[in-house]
Amino acid sequence: GENVEQHPSTLSVQEGDSAVIKCTYSDSASNYFPWYKQELGKRPQLIIDIRSNVGEKKDQRIAVTLNKTAKHFSLHITETQPEDSAVYFCAASKAGGSYIPTFGRGTSLIVHP
Amino acid sequence: ETGVTQSPTHLIKTRGQQVTLRCSSQSGHNTVSWYQQALGQGPQFIFQYYREEENGRGNFPPRFSGLQFPNYSSELNVNALELDDSALYLCASSSPGAGDIQYFGAGTRLSVL
Repeated sequence: GENVEQHPSTLSVQEGDSAVIKCTYSDSASNYFPWYKQELGKRPQLIIDIRSNVGEKKDQRIAVTLNKTAKHFSLHITETQPEDSAVYFCAASKAGGSYIPTFGRGTSLIVHP
Repeated sequence: ETGVTQSPTHLIKTRGQQVTLRCSSQSGHNTVSWYQQALGQGPQFIFQYYREEENGRGNFPPRFSGLQFPNYSSELNVNALELDDSALYLCASSSPGAGDIQYFGAGTRLSVL
């Protein structure tokens, strides 16, 4: 089955800095890669996703890059703000049919004011 | 709000008991997936229901079972509770026609004493 590794487990940055979270996956057939943000005590919320037919996707301060050859994808947050503090999860799956994502273990991002 | 609701929000049970958790999917979604999230971990896939049929199962024992109803709401049942079953149980609804993007409920926090 799919295996997703996520690093780092904890990331501490100063407000305004950039943050990068990296994930690797094992199943070359995976073609859909969502990122979720989970604030303390709240539900995971989709913040951005990428499909395997593109290499990069941006949404304001958030971007995701995908390298299919190396089987890794990354989340980039620029100009971090204290409200970006949360746990971020990456996931990998084969979209269509029985879409069943495999999640990474999460990265706790702390943005210091 | 995503429209995915779960009940109850918190539950305390003792070892050996049985529990039923409920999930109402977002309007228009016909697929419900259940996850177990232990403290400090990413969500682990339990099983998925699509149009009232089980559509995939993770590495969980048979004492974890489920149902999906004609209105696409779903139940997760866990028999013979063990201490290690203490976790946040999340459901997510999706639809193949909506890109398989999963929207999570707020979860049920289960404590087994």
